Amino acid sequence: QSVLTQPPSASGTPGQRVTISCSGSSSNIGSKTVNWYQQLPGTAPKLLMYRNNQRPSGVPDRFSGSKSGTSASLAISGLQSEDEADYYCAAWDDNLNVVFGGGTKLTVL
Amino acid sequence: EVQLVQSGAEVKKPGDSLKISCKGSGYSFTSYWIGWVRQMPGKGLEWMGIIYPGDSDTRYSPPFQGQVTISADKSISTAYLQWSSLKASDSAIYYCARRGYDSGFYYLDFWGRGTQVTVSS
Repeated sequence: QSVLTQPPSASGTPGQRVTISCSGSSSNIGSKTVNWYQQLPGTAPKLLMYRNNQRPSGVPDRFSGSKSGTSASLAISGLQSEDEADYYCAAWDDNLNVVFGGGTKLTVL
Repeated sequence: EVQLVQSGAEVKKPGDSLKISCKGSGYSFTSYWIGWVRQMPGKGLEWMGIIYPGDSDTRYSPPFQGQVTISADKSISTAYLQWSSLKASDSAIYYCARRGYDSGFYYLDFWGRGTQVTVSS
């Protein structure tokens, strides 16, 4: 069981907006910032969002993040086929450990 | 350009020892923590532990404490993950990743391509 809870799957059609949720507790999301990672099929994870809603250089502004209380979410607008991937939320704990969500497999229909 | 280059795929037998590597370049290797992440076949990401190459301060995630050893050789900008006695359940892809930071906020900003470890008799 992952410390952070994500839906196992999500889907949308090209052009749609989809959101992926991430639920935690006061000891992780409630007191830490959330990062999101995208893992395209057969590749290493890549940083997609940090500090809840900051995009690293090169990440399209179609991706946005938010956090409220002990939950966070990732939104993808204008869905594209190349967005089909696994998405993981994550947060650091006080012992320099990362707690990951179980991952959400996004399918573009 | 920041890069983390991991060693190649390994096929081992149960009980074998193994040490895989992650070589950093394009940045000050001693100034950033390097973490290790396991991904078992068809599964999600699991945090194993982290090392600060500057002084070899190492922290382990509780499930992996005592199961693996994380080390680093700063003279060659390389971090390691090792096992003394592999089990079939250690079969997975292992990623190293740099802990980047910005104004006190931390994230895994650069990742290696992963090392596939297969343990089978």
